[in-house]
Amino acid sequence: SQKIEQNSEALNIQEGKTATLTCNYTNYSPAYLQWYRQDPGRGPVFLLLIRENEKEKRKERLKVTFDTTLKQSLFHITASQPADSATYLCAPGGGDSSYKLIFGSGTRLLVRP
Amino acid sequence: GAVVSQHPSRVICKSGTSVKIECRSLDFQATTMFWYRQFPKKSLMLMATSNEGSKATYEQGVEKDKFLINHASLTLSTLTVTSAHPEDSSFYICSARESGTYSNQPQHFGDGTRLSIL
Repeated sequence: SQKIEQNSEALNIQEGKTATLTCNYTNYSPAYLQWYRQDPGRGPVFLLLIRENEKEKRKERLKVTFDTTLKQSLFHITASQPADSATYLCAPGGGDSSYKLIFGSGTRLLVRP
Repeated sequence: GAVVSQHPSRVICKSGTSVKIECRSLDFQATTMFWYRQFPKKSLMLMATSNEGSKATYEQGVEKDKFLINHASLTLSTLTVTSAHPEDSSFYICSARESGTYSNQPQHFGDGTRLSIL
C-alpha cells in the first residue's frame, strides 16, 4: 500500500538557521507533491506545489525539491523565524488520476529565538 | 481568497446523538470537497470525497451509513455523524478544491471541528 513517511520526531533549530524537512514515499508514483503548514487546532494551509517534471521550486524563504528516483521531497525554510514553528505536512497526489491527496504524518518544527 | 468555513468549531454531546458539520466555500465554487479525520499528532486520514450533485465516494473502512455526506450545492457539503459514540470523538476537517481547475491545484481547508462524545 502507499506509504508517506516524514520525520516523526520534532525538529528543533535556532532562529536564523535553515530547516530541512524530509518526505519519502513508497508504492506510489505521484504526479505532483504539495506541502502544507498546520498550526495546532487549525486546518492545513497550502504552501507550495512541485510537479514531477520539476526539480526545485522556490517561494520567498521556502524551497522544495522533488527527486522521483529517490522518491523523496525536501522542504527547506531559510533564515527561519519563531513564527515558522508549526507542523509541516507533505502530500503527494495525482498518482491515480484523482484529486485525492495522501498526507504524511507531518514533522513538527520548533524555531528557538 | 479561497476561504473555507467549517461550522461548528467544537461540539460536545451525549452518546447516541447525531451531529452535523457544515463546510462552506465562501468565495469560490467547489464541485469536489473532502472530509478528513485527524487523531492527535497523526496525519489527516481521508474519509470520503464529496461530489456536488452525486453520491460521495468513501474510503475503504469508512462506514457510509455512519458518516452521511451531502453536497447539494457548489458551496456547501455537510457531514453527519449518526448515532455518535465516544470512539467517534476526533478532529474532523473539510477541504475544497475550486471547480474548473487542474487536478494539481491545492485544497483549501476549513479550521476543523473538534467532536467530543460523552
